[in-house]
Amino acid sequence: DAGVIQSPRHEVTEMGQEVTLRCKPISGHNSLFWYRQTMMRGLELLIYFNNNVPIDDSGMPEDRFSAKMPNASFSTLKIQPSEPRDSAVYFCASSLDGFYEQYFGPGTRLTVT
Amino acid sequence: SQQGEEDPQALSIQEGENATMNCSYKTSINNLQWYRQNSGRGLVHLILIRSNEREKHSGRLRVTLDTSKKSSSLLITASRAADTASYFCATTLNMFSGGYNKLIFGAGTRLAVHP
Repeated sequence: DAGVIQSPRHEVTEMGQEVTLRCKPISGHNSLFWYRQTMMRGLELLIYFNNNVPIDDSGMPEDRFSAKMPNASFSTLKIQPSEPRDSAVYFCASSLDGFYEQYFGPGTRLTVT
Repeated sequence: SQQGEEDPQALSIQEGENATMNCSYKTSINNLQWYRQNSGRGLVHLILIRSNEREKHSGRLRVTLDTSKKSSSLLITASRAADTASYFCATTLNMFSGGYNKLIFGAGTRLAVHP
């Protein structure tokens, strides 16, 4: 298995632009998590999906952030409009279900100038 | 705010030495997990210790848990240069309403093992 796949690996964009991060979870996993990692706040859970349905989005910082999971093999995290303070590494993780070990993707390093 | 706090923030040792990292947390937990993150990579799960366990081993890793002190330690024995990475503890909160375990990560310990 290829593991959790994220794209792009690096994204540099200007303030105000829309950014879309993509994730392909491990086949057969029904739970998907989006995390953000910064020096100041560490690793934070943004949103949790189970069977493609958003279950807990309490970690989404503000309305500029949105996440979708149209099917079991694909999820997106969108930031519109982006701001410099959104610069971080965004990780996607998947698990067999919400209570099992989480497998992390390599992350997308986002820089907003 | 973060649940777990690692100590030390950074650790530099020579190959062959043991490395000990500590984690403290604030509230009751179901279990505690340790993850490793190599530079520029995602997190890799190392070991999970349940709240009713006091010690657990996996290869060169030894994890202890003291629920009375709300603390855990990760010991890496006979360290190697390849162990150079950041290590994070994560406490697990059972989100009954959401039906999942929420991981709350600490700030991590940066370990450097020199050949």
